[in-house]
Amino acid sequence: RKEVEQDPGPFNVPEGATVAFNCTYSNSASQSFFWYRQDCRKEPKLLMSVYSSGNEDGRFTAQLNRASQYISLLIRDSKLSDSATYLCAASTSGTYKYIFGTGTRLKVLA
Amino acid sequence: SAVISQKPSRDICQRGTSLTIQCQVDSQVTMMFWYRQQPGQSLTLIATANQGSEATYESGFVIDKFPISRPNLTFSTLTVSNMSPEDSSIYLCSVAQGVRTEAFFGQGTRLTVV
Repeated sequence: RKEVEQDPGPFNVPEGATVAFNCTYSNSASQSFFWYRQDCRKEPKLLMSVYSSGNEDGRFTAQLNRASQYISLLIRDSKLSDSATYLCAASTSGTYKYIFGTGTRLKVLA
Repeated sequence: SAVISQKPSRDICQRGTSLTIQCQVDSQVTMMFWYRQQPGQSLTLIATANQGSEATYESGFVIDKFPISRPNLTFSTLTVSNMSPEDSSIYLCSVAQGVRTEAFFGQGTRLTVV
């Protein structure tokens, strides 16, 4: 089983829709979690960190569920410019590694 | 966030040769990592570059194939040795200040081996 798993998609949604992605992690010792956005042929860019209490940044909301070992990303009012691959990452204390999921492709359609 | 300069941005190399990729950060960072991203795939961690000591390699990656240097807290190199077409990939340098902090990426090196 992969340490961090995501549904690869693609998720095709109309402009203005709300879309949610989940990401599961298998290592219960994982402590820090992040969402990254990767555009085609570009490097991943940090979208947001995921805190235990959840966090929100504009149209984006990230949540952590430790009991079920998953993190989620909610995008409200989708824009065409949100089309990208969204990667989740987990980091574990002691190993100091960042493990990435395979990414979820999102296409926002006009 | 730190500014990360990675070079070359791309290269086309003959099989059997080696390529060294450089990663320069504009400030001292605690952690430096090297990832590989094959076409259509996610990021696979190759190794953690340790300052002043041997890198820590992930399963499936060995020092003879991917020697790594990190002479100081702002610079690291990854060499892809004795290349074959299977090494064609994007190689990414990543930095972080600690395990609870965000990791940031260089622009990547797109390597094609012919």
